[in-house]
Amino acid sequence: NAGVTQTPKFQVLKTGQSMTLQCAQDMNHNSMYWYRQDPGMGLRLIYYSASEGTTDKGEVPNGYNVSRLNKREFSLRLESAAPSQTSVYFCASSDTGEWMNEQFFGPGTRLTVL
Amino acid sequence: AQSVSQHNHHVILSEAASLELGCNYSYGGTVNLFWYVQYPGQHLQLLLKYFSGDPLVKGIKGFEAEFIKSKFSFNLRKPSVQWSDTAEYFCAVNGGYNKLIFGAGTRLAVHP
Repeated sequence: NAGVTQTPKFQVLKTGQSMTLQCAQDMNHNSMYWYRQDPGMGLRLIYYSASEGTTDKGEVPNGYNVSRLNKREFSLRLESAAPSQTSVYFCASSDTGEWMNEQFFGPGTRLTVL
Repeated sequence: AQSVSQHNHHVILSEAASLELGCNYSYGGTVNLFWYVQYPGQHLQLLLKYFSGDPLVKGIKGFEAEFIKSKFSFNLRKPSVQWSDTAEYFCAVNGGYNKLIFGAGTRLAVHP
């Protein structure tokens, strides 16, 4: 099992450029998440998908869009990148039930917007 | 809204010292609580979790945490740290169905 995989690992963009971060999991989890990690702020939830076909906003959704392509894949798109979106982005997945279960994290994408 | 507060942003210890990292949360209902660790250059890994039952939970690598409901706390402890414990530690609480709320993290540096 590869667990949660993310591509790319690193990316540099110019302000206004667009890009899509890819995430895939092979654990047959229903739920998937996108976080950003900034120094001194921990991880903040951008968007999540409780199950295939559904997506919901998290704490910091502005400037991002997501697509739950199928059960395995959950992509994050920046339509017009801004320097404030310089961050490390983590994808995660979890099995679901009545109560929160452990989330499994990918290796992260380090994004710099110039 | 739920929130998680980690009091220590940076902790520096010598090897063999004891560790306690504070975590307080705000939520009046039933909670699930987690501690994650992020070693340098790596992704987050689960150290331990509390769902119900014994409030003293044991995790990997000799870590443990105690859930004190009356204090809304879930502090992480280790009796004797090693250089390899140098990492950033995150406390998290379930924030409603399928959502985790993370604290800001505590960077631990252990000197040989």
